[in-house]
Amino acid sequence: GAGVSQSPRYKVAKRGQDVALRCDPISGHVSLFWYQQALGQGPEFLTYFQNEAQLDKSGLPSDRFFAERPEGSVSTLKIQRTQQEDSAVYLCASGYTFGSGTRLTVV
Amino acid sequence: QKEVEQNSGPLSVPEGAIASLNCTYSDRGSQSFFWYRQYSGKSPELIMFIYSNGDKEDGRFTAQLNKASQYVSLLIRDSQPSDSATYLCASGRGDFGNEKLTFGTGTRLTIIP
Repeated sequence: GAGVSQSPRYKVAKRGQDVALRCDPISGHVSLFWYQQALGQGPEFLTYFQNEAQLDKSGLPSDRFFAERPEGSVSTLKIQRTQQEDSAVYLCASGYTFGSGTRLTVV
Repeated sequence: QKEVEQNSGPLSVPEGAIASLNCTYSDRGSQSFFWYRQYSGKSPELIMFIYSNGDKEDGRFTAQLNKASQYVSLLIRDSQPSDSATYLCASGRGDFGNEKLTFGTGTRLTIIP
């Protein structure tokens, strides 16, 4: 597509629930990034893919966070056993272009 | 100390004046610098990037980089109410298109009509 598409736009999860966030990057873009943006803060790097290879996952805050991009296009960020501190906006970027984000609220 | 520091503001500037946004960084390995604009409830939008010392102009926007002082700034001339937003400064290692960015916390700018 012409831009970066993320879904869902909003997600409310009960604490302990697993969630999956989807990113559809700009068509043909090799690089894909996930960032987490807490309220009042700048985005913080989570992980980076080049095609299907996850080259950097140093920003993932715990082993409850997992990301994949199996065919080198669409990517999914999965958070297991969500906690309240996971509440944030999760942004996907194709190069330097961000998607509209998924706002996750854990209650 | 955060790697990228910005004054959180808010910064209030009269319409038509010059808004000056500043950013410092601590990682001397940083090679690329970016300014993003983020409206409330929206995602960051890239305004400008700069790699070389000096000034880079694009319309009403000028980015300035001083690597010796580890300082980046963004000037907005003829400020408009639509420029009211949070401005995020970010740094990267220079691998164009394939670099993770380190962001500051952002400066909230309000243009007063």
